[in-house]
Amino acid sequence: KAGVTQTPRYLIKTRGQQVTLSCSPISGHRSVSWYQQTPGQGLQFLFEYFSETQRNKGNFPGRFSGRQFSNSRSEMNVSTLELGDSALYLCASSLDARQNTIYFGEGSWLTVV
Amino acid sequence: DQQVKQNSPSLSVQEGRISILNCDYTNSMFDYFLWYKKYPAEGPTFLISISSIKDKNEDGRFTVFLNKSAKHLSLHIVPSQPGDSAVYFCAARGDSGAGSYQLTFGKGTKLSVIP
Repeated sequence: KAGVTQTPRYLIKTRGQQVTLSCSPISGHRSVSWYQQTPGQGLQFLFEYFSETQRNKGNFPGRFSGRQFSNSRSEMNVSTLELGDSALYLCASSLDARQNTIYFGEGSWLTVV
Repeated sequence: DQQVKQNSPSLSVQEGRISILNCDYTNSMFDYFLWYKKYPAEGPTFLISISSIKDKNEDGRFTVFLNKSAKHLSLHIVPSQPGDSAVYFCAARGDSGAGSYQLTFGKGTKLSVIP
């Protein structure tokens, strides 16, 4: 059974640009959540989608957005990139909205220069 | 405010000894707790979990203990192996309302197991 797949794995962007990250959940999983990891800050929750609906949102500015498609695949977008957005972005999938166990992808490393 | 705290950023243990990683939480409504392990350049992998109705869960070398009155959980690894060297995150699940749940993670503890 394939795990959570994230693309791209590494990318470099310039301040002011925008970026779109993609996530394919484990087959059959309907909940997808996104986290940002920066040194010393642990995993900070961005948002969670279930059945194409955003059910939870973390404390991030509106420049961070996401969506989920009917096949449960998800994308997140960051507009007007800032240097502080440089981080590892992790996607996780869960069978359902109960979040008993979430399974992470390997992440997308974003560097903003 | 940090609802899930891992107060030790790092921990060093001799191979074969016990590793104890600690986690404190403030929200008494958290009902499920998980531990994840993360190697550099990889995503976190699920280790073990415990429901708030239990006080202990064991899986091989890994045991998680939950003390609800103290709002404290710990992960015991016995015996510790060099391959256990990684960053360990604890997470707590809370009800966001309308049947929706959210995991809150601590900042992690870096475990180094010395051969």
